[in-house]
Amino acid sequence: ETGVTQSPTHLIKTRGQQVTLRCSSQSGHNTVSWYQQALGQGPQFIFQYYREEENGRGNFPPRFSGLQFPNYSSELNVNALELDDSALYLCASTPSLGTGGLARNNEQFFGPGTRLTVL
Amino acid sequence: AQRVTQPEKLLSVFKGAPVELKCNYSYSGSPELFWYVQYSRQRLQLLLRHISRESIKGFTADLNKGETSFHLKKPFAQEEDSAMYYCALNRLRAGNMLTFGGGTRLMVKP
Repeated sequence: ETGVTQSPTHLIKTRGQQVTLRCSSQSGHNTVSWYQQALGQGPQFIFQYYREEENGRGNFPPRFSGLQFPNYSSELNVNALELDDSALYLCASTPSLGTGGLARNNEQFFGPGTRLTVL
Repeated sequence: AQRVTQPEKLLSVFKGAPVELKCNYSYSGSPELFWYVQYSRQRLQLLLRHISRESIKGFTADLNKGETSFHLKKPFAQEEDSAMYYCALNRLRAGNMLTFGGGTRLMVKP
């Protein structure tokens, strides 16, 4: 069984640019969550996808968007990058949700993260 | 809105000493609480969750709804316990969207 993978490992962008980060979920997991972790802080929930639909969203502006594909891999897109977007972006997958979105097994398996630097 | 507070950024103890990492939360409903750990050069991973009432690597945590706390404890710290510890809250039935605290770095000195 493979774990959660993320690409790229590191990325440098300039203000105003757009970026796409990628995540491959752990085998058998159909829910993926994205978190932003600024330096010295805990992860902050961005959004979650379940069966290719956004299932919940944290306090992030619309320029943060995502996709989940039929194979349950996922993308995080950030438009109009700002300096404060510099952070570690974490992807986490969860085993199948039950009816109504209640997780039967709610452990989240995290990827190694993508370090984004905005200059 | 929910919030998780870990008041200590750094906790330094000697090997064999007891450890308590503090976590306080605010949430009006029924929460589910977790401790996640990140060892050096490793990814974030689940340590334990309150609903399981388990002991993992000698660590335990009890949910105290009256004090809205979920402190992590271990009676005798080991050097391999040195890591970053994050307390996290999930709103029950919310589909597993975690609110994390700021983290506490535990350093266990020989």
